Amino acid sequence: GAGVSQSPSNKVTEKGKDVELRCDPISGHTALYWYRQRLGQGLEFLIYFQGNSAPDKSGLPSDRFSAERTGESVSTLTIQRTQQEDSAVYLCASGLAGAHEQFFGPGTRLTVL
Amino acid sequence: KNQVEQSPQSLIILEGKNCTLQCNYTVSPFSNLRWYKQDTGRGPVSLTIMTFSENTKSNGRYTATLDADTKQSSLHITASQLSDSASYICVVSGAGSYQLTFGKGTKLSVIP
Repeated sequence: GAGVSQSPSNKVTEKGKDVELRCDPISGHTALYWYRQRLGQGLEFLIYFQGNSAPDKSGLPSDRFSAERTGESVSTLTIQRTQQEDSAVYLCASGLAGAHEQFFGPGTRLTVL
Repeated sequence: KNQVEQSPQSLIILEGKNCTLQCNYTVSPFSNLRWYKQDTGRGPVSLTIMTFSENTKSNGRYTATLDADTKQSSLHITASQLSDSASYICVVSGAGSYQLTFGKGTKLSVIP
């Protein structure tokens, strides 16, 4: 596709359930990033992939959060045993390695009831 | 701690008017500063990127300035249009790091 896509666009879940969020980066982009944006707050860095490896997971807020990337393409962010404070928009971005530019997807709005 | 502060938090202007948004940062060492536009329900879209040596960059009706000495940047929007209504986010990258520090954004509303 022409841009970064994410699915689902919206996800409502019950507290304690697991959720999986998907990101399809721009073809050829080796760098992939996940961010979280809480209401009224700036974007928070979660994790960075270079290829299929994640050299920096420092932003993951707890061990309930994990992410993987396969084929230097699709990435999934998994949140286990969701809590209400996990409610946010989760944004994915991709870019060329070493480049300044990051291209963002539309985000997944997660609501935990 | 790396921080990016934006002002004002929100702004309402009449269509056709100009406005200026401000950004102060403490990120050091500095690599580049970006302004993004984020429409409601959409991901951020890049408007400008400036490195240390650049002090002005334009993209249509958007003009960004950077003073790396005072660690300040501004985004000037000329002849505003209704479609300019969005959040404008200032983002700073540190040298040697892929991590970005995001401001909370300025929410701009352009009214007829």
